[in-house]
Parts: sequence; C-alpha cells; structure tokens
Amino acid sequence: GENVEQHPSTLSVQEGDSAVIKCTYSDSASNYFPWYKQELGKRPQLIIDIRSNVGEKKDQRIAVTLNKTAKHFSLHITETQPEDSAVYFCAAGGAISNFGNEKLTFGTGTRLTIIP
Amino acid sequence: DVKVTQSSRYLVKRTGEKVFLECVQDMDHENMFWYRQDPGLGLRLIYFSYDVKMKEKGDIPEGYSVSREKKERFSLILESASTNQTSMYLCASSPPSGLIGNEQFFGPGTRLTVL
Repeated sequence: GENVEQHPSTLSVQEGDSAVIKCTYSDSASNYFPWYKQELGKRPQLIIDIRSNVGEKKDQRIAVTLNKTAKHFSLHITETQPEDSAVYFCAAGGAISNFGNEKLTFGTGTRLTIIP
Repeated sequence: DVKVTQSSRYLVKRTGEKVFLECVQDMDHENMFWYRQDPGLGLRLIYFSYDVKMKEKGDIPEGYSVSREKKERFSLILESASTNQTSMYLCASSPPSGLIGNEQFFGPGTRLTVL
C-alpha cells in the first residue's frame, strides 16, 4: 500500500518568514495530493490540493509543488502569520485499485509554530 | 456547507465494554471514513465505506468493526474496548472521486479514553 513520509515533525518560524513542509510517497499510481490544516482542538480542513497533471498550484500565501518523478511534494507558506500556527498533514491518494482511489494515506503531521 | 457530526466529543469507557461511535453527514456523500489520530502517527485509516452496507478495511482494522445501514450514517464499533484503543477518532466523508481522489470533510472528533 501507499506510504507517506512527512518532514519536519516540528517547525518554528519567525513571523513574516517562509515555511516549507515536505512529503514523499511510495505508490507511483497516486495522483491526488491534498494538504490539511488542523488548529488546536479543531477538525482537519483542506487548505490546498494538487493533482498529478500539474506541477505547482498557488492560493494567496500558500503554494504546493509536486515532483512525480521523485515522488515528493511540498507545502510553501510565505509571509507567515500567527494564525498559521497549526498542525499540517499531507496526504496521497487517488490510486485506482479496488476503490483505492477513494482513500487517502496521511503523513504524520508537522506542528508549525509562528513566533511573533 | 458540508456538515459531519459525531455523537460524542468525549467518551470514557472501561476495558471490555462494547463501544459505539456514530458519525452522520448531511451532504449525501457516498464515501465515509473512520480514522484514529495519535500523536506522532498522524491519521490512520481504520475502515471506510463507499456505499450503504459496503465496507473496506483500512490500515488498522484489528479490534474494530463498522456498520453502514443508511447512507448518511457510519458507525464504528469496538467489540471489546482495550486501553490501546484510547485515542482521538475522526470521521470523514467525501463524494465519489471518479478516477481521482477527492476532498474529505472531517467531523469534530471523539476523544475516547478506555480505563
């Protein structure tokens, strides 16, 4: 099955600086790569996703890049703000096999702390 | 707005008890999922269901079972709760993705403590 590794597990960044979180996946058939943000005591929520037919996607201060050859994808947050402090999860899915395209395999999470 | 609700935010049970966790979604989604979340381990899939009465094992199904009698409701059952099942349980739902994965919408979670 799919295996997703996420690094780093914790990240502290000065407010206004950029943060980068990296994930690798093992199943070359995976073609959907979402990122979820989980604030303290709240449910995970999708912040951005990318599909295998594109290499980069941006949404204001957030961007995701995908390298299918190397099987890794990254989340980039620019001009970080205190409200960016949260746990971020990457995931991989969409591999077609016995409804496997419906499943997501999540990374272990990155706790991002923005230092004012 | 998709709404996914779970029956309890906090639950305390004793070892050996049978435990039911319920999840309801109001967006007519075909897919529903149960995860457990543990520090340092991320979200691990226990079971998922792609249709009424249909289920598939996830990565850690041992000690759990599920039931989906109605499209909007997905139940997770711990037949005989053990202390190593103390965890945060998250339910999620998503529409069918076709050939490519789709966004999952999560419930607020149930923090289960087994004594």
